[in-house]
Amino acid sequence: QKEVEQNSGPLSVPEGAIASLNCTYSDRVSQSFFWYRQYSGKSPELIMSIYSNGDKEDGRFTAQLNKASQYVSLLIRDSQPSDSATYLCAVNSRDDKIIFGKGTRLHILP
Amino acid sequence: GAVVSQHPSRVICKSGTSVKIECRSLDFQATTMFWYRQFPKQSLMLMATSNEGSKATYEQGVEKDKFLINHASLTLSTLTVTSAHPEDSSFYICSAGQGNYGYTFGSGTRLTVV
Repeated sequence: QKEVEQNSGPLSVPEGAIASLNCTYSDRVSQSFFWYRQYSGKSPELIMSIYSNGDKEDGRFTAQLNKASQYVSLLIRDSQPSDSATYLCAVNSRDDKIIFGKGTRLHILP
Repeated sequence: GAVVSQHPSRVICKSGTSVKIECRSLDFQATTMFWYRQFPKQSLMLMATSNEGSKATYEQGVEKDKFLINHASLTLSTLTVTSAHPEDSSFYICSAGQGNYGYTFGSGTRLTVV
């Protein structure tokens, strides 16, 4: 079983709509969860972190965590063409490493 | 916030030569740094964990004699690709930080071996 799973996409969303990105993880003891954005040819950039169940909002981004279901998601409101990128879900592991999913490619349609 | 500097950003070398990539934590001390490799359109692959003052821990399938890692200080880790070949051409990225608070990535090094 893969440790962090994401749909690879591409996920196409019209400009101005809400983009919803999902991620599941296998290690129940994980406590820290992250979303990174990676533009083509660039290194990943941390955009959200979440540590407790529920929602965490930061501007147009909302991270949602459900530890019982081992599920974390990222919502992007009012999607912009500049949001087109690959979004990586990451979870801290028992030995303090960060385990990444393979990423979801998001394409915002102008 | 945590800043990680990586150098060089791009390097082209001849087959058989060695290339050194530096990763520095600018505003914090990093006892642990991570080295990743990413091929085009593929996901990040963790190569090794760099530990200050001790040997690096390599992931399965990564040749430790080919990818030499040195973490001699709390702010600097280096990755040396020895006897590089065209198949080593890739995007190499380092990261550092605290596991519970996320890691910051360097800007990456695009290596092309000709």
